[in-house]
Amino acid sequence: EVQLVESGGGLVQPGRSLKLSCAASGFTFSNYYMAWVRQAPTKGLEWVASITNSGGSTYYRDSVKGRFTISRDNAKSTLYLQMDSLRSEDTATYYCTRQGSSDYWGQGVMVTVSS
Amino acid sequence: DVVMTQTPVSLSVSLGGQVSISCRSSQSLVHNNGNTYLSWYLQKPGQSPQLLIYKVSNRFSGISDRFSGSGSGTDFTLKISRVEPDDLGVYYCGQGTQYPLTFGSGTKLEIK
Repeated sequence: EVQLVESGGGLVQPGRSLKLSCAASGFTFSNYYMAWVRQAPTKGLEWVASITNSGGSTYYRDSVKGRFTISRDNAKSTLYLQMDSLRSEDTATYYCTRQGSSDYWGQGVMVTVSS
Repeated sequence: DVVMTQTPVSLSVSLGGQVSISCRSSQSLVHNNGNTYLSWYLQKPGQSPQLLIYKVSNRFSGISDRFSGSGSGTDFTLKISRVEPDDLGVYYCGQGTQYPLTFGSGTKLEIK
């Protein structure tokens, strides 16, 4: 059974950093592109970043470029999202998804950026 | 960026009825490899999104045949037949053809 379990969320002040993790199981992690998608409270889905299966290439939405870094450890089957210089508009539930139609999603982790 | 326009914003249907949701993209979703990466998702209240349909018309594992997807190029439709109580939630279309990946704004399905 495919499982994606996010962790690392919480309340953080503007300008500070937070690192999210997504532990994957039930499939060969190193074979898949992975992505982070977020959802602000009462809003729709918004893609944040993607990474190729090897980790050799990464892609970001413009609003997080230079502030967020997606990475992965294939030996640990874990996806990461390092979020720096956080802003109030980054407040959202962050989902880890297996790319390739985003066929599996984690339960999500809440990130609240507020003073 | 590819803009995904979903209509209607909300709809109400009786149990056993049928509904259609439209999704239009601002650019063709046909990838260089010939595939069209248009997916449909359902987000039930308090849950993560779940994949229903991928590559326009392919039902994901375990998805009822009451859900069907169709379309091509820039114009796509999700049809739900014999609506059941468990179908309520917000439906999103999403494109995976080009970065940035984008989603429609959602269609909220309510049961009368």
